[in-house]
This record gives sequence, C-alpha cells and structure tokens, in this order.
Amino acid sequence: QKEVEQDPGPLSVPEGAIVSLNCTYSNSAFQYFMWYRQYSRKGPELLMYTYSSGNKEDGRFTAQVDKSSKYISLFIRDSQPSDSATYLCAMILTGGGNKLTFGTGTQLKVEL
Amino acid sequence: EAGVAQSPRYKIIEKRQSVAFWCNPISGHATLYWYQQILGQGPKLLIQFQNNGVVDDSQLPKDRFSAERLKGVDSTLKIQPAKLEDSAVYLCASSQGSRGAYEQYFGPGTRLTVT
Repeated sequence: QKEVEQDPGPLSVPEGAIVSLNCTYSNSAFQYFMWYRQYSRKGPELLMYTYSSGNKEDGRFTAQVDKSSKYISLFIRDSQPSDSATYLCAMILTGGGNKLTFGTGTQLKVEL
Repeated sequence: EAGVAQSPRYKIIEKRQSVAFWCNPISGHATLYWYQQILGQGPKLLIQFQNNGVVDDSQLPKDRFSAERLKGVDSTLKIQPAKLEDSAVYLCASSQGSRGAYEQYFGPGTRLTVT
C-alpha cells in the first residue's frame, strides 16, 4: 500500500464547475499537507498548505483536511480553462526531516 | 526574483552512458532538493542538501547516482551508467531552510530519455 493515494484521473469538467480533488494517506504521522499544481512540462508550484484539520480558503481554492479519516481535499470553485493541469497532493512527516511525500497526481481538464 | 534554474532541459542518451544535470537554486535558499518524476507519478525525493551537507539521500541509488553541492549554492546530479528505467524528469527544488520545506520552489526540470 502506498503511503499517499490519489486518483490519477483524468478528470474533465466544464468551465465554471466545482472541482473536488482528493488524497488519502495511511501514516497518521503526516502533519503538514500541501497541494501543488503542475502544468505540462513545468515544475510543480505550491498552491496551498495547511497543518490542521478543517478548511483553509484562498480565492477560488479551498483545502480541507480530515486527520481522523486521513483524507485531504482540494476544491476549486468556478473552474477556468487555465486551471487545466495536474494537481499533486504532498505531505510531510513530523520529525521526518521535512521530506515531501507526493501523491501520483490528478490530471484535470477544464473545457470551454 | 529569479526562479530555480536547471539545464539542460532535455537529454537523450543510450543505456550505460553517463549524464549530468545542473541546478542553480533561488538566491539565499539554503536547502536544495533533487527529485525524480517518472511519467504518471509524483516526484520522489532523491537527495536533500542543507547548505553543502547531505540531509537525506536514503532513496538515491548510490551505485549509479551521485550529487554534490560543493559551495552550498548550485548543484549537479550525475548518473553513471544510465539504465532504461532512469528515463524520467529530474526536478530541482529549493527552500529557504529546513523549516520552510513545505514551501519548495521547483525548477522546470530536465527530461531524460534513456534508449
């Protein structure tokens, strides 16, 4: 079993839709949670990070963490074609030397 | 502020040949990371430097991969000899320090194809 599981997609939605991207993890020692966006042939860029259960909002993006269920989500409201990319969840273990463990990524396409 | 620079962007080599990648992190960033991203997978950490010292190289295949960061600034990653399964994108990232590891800035990557 992988430490971090993520649905690879691809996920295709119409412009303006609400998108839900999800990851599950097996190690309860993961304490910091990040979402990265990766455009084709580019490096990942950090979208959001959080370390507590609950919701964190930034513009059209909301990150949600449920530590009791070992489940994290990223919601994108009013999705735009420019949101078309691969979304990677990533996590850091407490006391783990700050090493990022990534999910496999979900490929999202927002169509006009 | 200039981002993380990597070169070359693309490289095609035959198996058993050697190859080297170069990375220049964001100015002032003490921590530098090399990741391997195989198609359809998330990045996997190969090695992490804090200044010019190695913090974590537990997933670096040391029989064929080596990396150095001699002056605590830029870094090179070498593969010798390359295998077919080394075909991947090699990403370099940097962060201000180990406490800012969640805020890593990635370069564009070097796409390696081993034939």
